[in-house]
Amino acid sequence: GENVEQHPSTLSVQEGDSAVIKCTYSDSASNYFPWYKQELGKRPQLIIDIRSNVGEKKDQRIAVTLNKTAKHFSLHITETQPEDSAVYFCAATGYKLSFGAGTTVTVRA
Amino acid sequence: DTAVSQTPKYLVTQMGNDKSIKCEQNLGHDTMYWYKQDSKKFLKIMFSYNNKELIINETVPNRFSPKSPDKAHLNLHINSLELGDSAVYFCASSPVTGGDEQYFGPGTRLTVT
Repeated sequence: GENVEQHPSTLSVQEGDSAVIKCTYSDSASNYFPWYKQELGKRPQLIIDIRSNVGEKKDQRIAVTLNKTAKHFSLHITETQPEDSAVYFCAATGYKLSFGAGTTVTVRA
Repeated sequence: DTAVSQTPKYLVTQMGNDKSIKCEQNLGHDTMYWYKQDSKKFLKIMFSYNNKELIINETVPNRFSPKSPDKAHLNLHINSLELGDSAVYFCASSPVTGGDEQYFGPGTRLTVT
C-alpha cells in the first residue's frame, strides 16, 4: 500500500517568512495529492490539491509542487500570518487516501 | 447546512462498554469514511463505504463494526471498549472513492477510562 512520509514534524517561522513542507510517497500509481489544514480542535480542511498531470499549482499565498519522477511533493506558504498556525497534512491516493504524519506550523508574531 | 455531521461530539465511557458514533452527510456523495486520529495527530483510515458497500477495511479489530443504512449515513459501533480506543474519530465523505476532496465531519472525541 501507499506510504507517505512528511517532513518536518514541527516548523516555527517568523511572521512574513515562508514555510515549506515536504512529502514523499511510495506508490507510483498515486495520482491525487491533497493538502489539509487542521486548526486546534477542528476538522481537517482541504487547502490545495494537485493531480499527477500537473507540476505546480498556486492559490494566493499557498502553492504545491509535484515531482512524479522523484515521488515527492511540497507545500509552500509565503508571507505567513498568525492564522496559518495549524497542523498541515499531506496525502496521496490511488484507491484510498494515505496521510503523512503531519507538520505543526507555528507562526511567531 | 452542515455538510458532514457527527454525533456525539464528546463521548466518555468506561472500559468494556459498547458505544456508537453516528455520521450523516447531505452532500450527495457516494463514498464515506471513518478515520481515527490518535494523540500524536496521526490520521489513519479505518473503513470506507461506497454506496453502502464496504470497500476498505484497514486491519481494524473486529470490535469495530461500521454500518451504512444508506449512502448518506455511516455509523460506527465499538464493542468492549479499551483504553487504546481513546482518540478523535472523524467521519468523511467524497464524491467518488480515492482521487477527490474529502469533507470531514467535526470529529467525536472518545475517552475511555
